[in-house]
Amino acid sequence: QKEVEQNSGPLSVPEGAIASLNCTYSDRGSQSFFWYRQYSGKSPELIMSIYSNGDKEDGRFTAQLNKASQYVSLLIRDSQPSDSATYLCAVPNRRNEKLTFGTGTRLTIIP
Amino acid sequence: KAGVTQTPRYLIKTRGQQVTLSCSPISGHRSVSWYQQTPGQGLQFLFEYFSETQRNKGNFPGRFSGRQFSNSRSEMNVSTLELGDSALYLCASSGLAGEFGEQYFGPGTRLTVT
Repeated sequence: QKEVEQNSGPLSVPEGAIASLNCTYSDRGSQSFFWYRQYSGKSPELIMSIYSNGDKEDGRFTAQLNKASQYVSLLIRDSQPSDSATYLCAVPNRRNEKLTFGTGTRLTIIP
Repeated sequence: KAGVTQTPRYLIKTRGQQVTLSCSPISGHRSVSWYQQTPGQGLQFLFEYFSETQRNKGNFPGRFSGRQFSNSRSEMNVSTLELGDSALYLCASSGLAGEFGEQYFGPGTRLTVT
């Protein structure tokens, strides 16, 4: 089982709709979780971090964490064409504390 | 606050050569991590430095090395370059070492080995 798994997509969502991105992780003891957005040809940009079970909202973005199910998700409300990017889920490996990234989900917002 | 800077942004080298990449973290950040990103392998951790000490190392051969200076700037060196070393090399800085530190990436150095 991979340490961090994401559906690679592509995920196509109409403009104005909610985009839902999912991530599962293998280390039950993981305590911190990060979402990055990466535009083509650019470096990853941190958009959300979450440490506790439940929801964390920041503008149009909501991160949801369920440690019992080892599942973290990112919701993007009122999706805009500028949200089209690859979204990377990252979880630190507790053994060596290195940040382990999923393969990313490519999101396309259709105008 | 200025972000993470990396130099050079683009580099073309020949097999067998060596290369040094530089990273300046966000002011006040003492943790610097390096990653390699390729289409096939995704983002892979190389190493992390904190206060001039290497804290963690990923699964890369000894040809990949790094160091950190007292001003937190970091350099990464790759010796005896191979074609497979062509990648985007990313540096990330954090105000905290360890699993709770939010990492902020620089623009990356695109290395092409011919």
